[in-house]
Amino acid sequence: AQSVTQLDSQVPVFEEAPVELRCNYSSSVSVYLFWYVQYPNQGLQLLLKYLSGSTLVESINGFEAEFNKSQTSFHLRKPSVHISDTAEYFCAVSDPGNQFYFGTGTSLTVIP
Amino acid sequence: NAGVTQTPKFQVLKTGQSMTLQCAQDMNHEYMSWYRQDPGMGLRLIHYSVGAGITDQGEVPNGYNVSRSTTEDFPLRLLSAAPSQTSVYFCASSPTSPKTQYFGPGTRLLVL
Repeated sequence: AQSVTQLDSQVPVFEEAPVELRCNYSSSVSVYLFWYVQYPNQGLQLLLKYLSGSTLVESINGFEAEFNKSQTSFHLRKPSVHISDTAEYFCAVSDPGNQFYFGTGTSLTVIP
Repeated sequence: NAGVTQTPKFQVLKTGQSMTLQCAQDMNHEYMSWYRQDPGMGLRLIHYSVGAGITDQGEVPNGYNVSRSTTEDFPLRLLSAAPSQTSVYFCASSPTSPKTQYFGPGTRLLVL
């Protein structure tokens, strides 16, 4: 079984400042990697994903994540956050066994 | 497309009662899954299905049953509700294996 570690449970950051949300996973086998975002009282929405190819993946709203196989990491970054980015962010891993594993989440709070 | 729908949105049960959480998707996705979300624990997989007639257990299956008689529907049954099953339940679907999951809005369950 996989394990996914999100090291920071809460991240406060000022508006327009950069942010990095950290994610590490356990497996050394081929995996697919995802970041999901959850706004209050809503379901999860896909933010970005790594399936294969370029190790740097981007979302349409300015987030990016880099797959680092040697460090088994998939950290999420944004160079300048907005108030609307306040949400819970989940890192997830899918293995070849058809199971999906989520981290415990990071609550990002953007301060005006 | 309505995407993934879940009913009910809220439910209060007494210990020992049974109920079924409904999940339906209109995207012709083969893969469907159920998660529970608890504070500080992220999302944990309860059961999943890779197609009609096929189901399998996830990380926390005890106390829950599922069936998949059609591609569209994937109901989750609580056999005898317990306070430990108080949680938010999410259903998700994916076109092929769990590469990109689409989540429903969730069902908030309180067991007294």
